[in-house]
Amino acid sequence: EAGVAQSPRYKIIEKRQSVAFWCNPISGHATLYWYQQILGQGPKLLIQFQNNGVVDDSQLPKDRFSAERLKGVDSTLKIQPAKLEDSAVYLCASSFSGGPYEQYFGPGTRLTVT
Amino acid sequence: AQSVAQPEDQVNVAEGNPLTVKCTYSVSGNPYLFWYVQYPNRGLQFLLKYITGDNLVKGSYGFEAEFNKSQTSFHLKKPSALVSDSALYFCAVAGENSNYQLIWGAGTKLIIKP
Repeated sequence: EAGVAQSPRYKIIEKRQSVAFWCNPISGHATLYWYQQILGQGPKLLIQFQNNGVVDDSQLPKDRFSAERLKGVDSTLKIQPAKLEDSAVYLCASSFSGGPYEQYFGPGTRLTVT
Repeated sequence: AQSVAQPEDQVNVAEGNPLTVKCTYSVSGNPYLFWYVQYPNRGLQFLLKYITGDNLVKGSYGFEAEFNKSQTSFHLKKPSALVSDSALYFCAVAGENSNYQLIWGAGTKLIIKP
């Protein structure tokens, strides 16, 4: 069974530029999550999708971050414009559904904003 | 409010010795508890979970965890540590009253010395 795919693996941009991350979840998984992980900390949930609908985006900085999951499969997370404090690893995860199911994570995208 | 505490930033264990990584939690309603492991430059991997039933849960790579309701703890254990167990370990809790979203601990770095 293929795991969660993410691209790119690494990205370096200057502040005020824009960047987009892509995620392909495990086939059949209805729920998709985007997390931000800053070095030395646990993941912080940015947004949760159930199929193509948003369940929770309360911690998503909506003035600069946006995410979509068209057709309920792949998802894209965008940052525009980026700030220095956005430097982090962005993790995508998926689970069978929104209940107490384990989440499966992709390898992450390491973003450096200079 | 839900919270997870991992009181030790780092745990050092000699190879072959038993290991314990501590986790305590606070959640309203029934807790759903998870352990994940993160190897360098890789995404988070699911180890085990407690949903209900037997307080001793067995997971991947010989790890197990014991749920203790009275102490609100969910410590990760392994009878005999391997050098390859060296990694960052995260405890997470989900509550049925919060849409089963995971609240993560800050992580514990486990170092196994030969």
